Amino acid sequence: AQKVTQAQTEISVVEKEDVTLDCVYETRDTTYYLFWYKQPPSGELVFLIRRNSFDEQNEISGRYSWNFQKSTSSFNFTITASQVVDSAVYFCALSRSNDYKLSFGAGTTVTVRA
Amino acid sequence: DADVTQTPRNRITKTGKRIMLECSQTKGHDRMYWYRQDPGLGLRLIYYSFDVKDINKGEISDGYSVSRQAQAKFSLSLESAIPNQTALYFCATSDNRDRHYGYTFGSGTRLTVV
Repeated sequence: AQKVTQAQTEISVVEKEDVTLDCVYETRDTTYYLFWYKQPPSGELVFLIRRNSFDEQNEISGRYSWNFQKSTSSFNFTITASQVVDSAVYFCALSRSNDYKLSFGAGTTVTVRA
Repeated sequence: DADVTQTPRNRITKTGKRIMLECSQTKGHDRMYWYRQDPGLGLRLIYYSFDVKDINKGEISDGYSVSRQAQAKFSLSLESAIPNQTALYFCATSDNRDRHYGYTFGSGTRLTVV
């Protein structure tokens, strides 16, 4: 069985602070994919990143960065210099392949105050 | 037009009523999914279909049924709606040939059972 744990339920920061969202996963598959999605107040799911289990390189995209560590089964997400528009619910998800069913974490609500 | 269209976007229904949520896609993907989102629980899989003749139960299928009318259409039915089925419902598609994202989500259907 696959499981994704996002231990932080809510995080509140002041604009320009950095915020890190934790994601810990469990799987018996040797090949798997990890995802992060953003859900703004409007409700839609916005894809942020996909990482496969063979690629442990960290990734940076603008103010977003991801730290994938297989040794600790973690795939953490950092927003640098947060902005009010970053306020959203963020989900970490896991799948055994690129097109198999996704297992989601419970989500972390990020609130960025001006 | 959106790649994955869910109708209706919002619906209020009474306890005991039968209701159908519809999902259609223009992605040409074979795999389709229905997820339910509840606050603090993330997204949980209700049903999924890998092709027109394939239907599988997810982790929370009780009280729901689905129909895959065509490759492009996947409907979710609540035979007798109850208040604890009040949630945000997402339809999604996936295809391993989609190397960029893999998954595409609809905008969601917000269902309230009173």
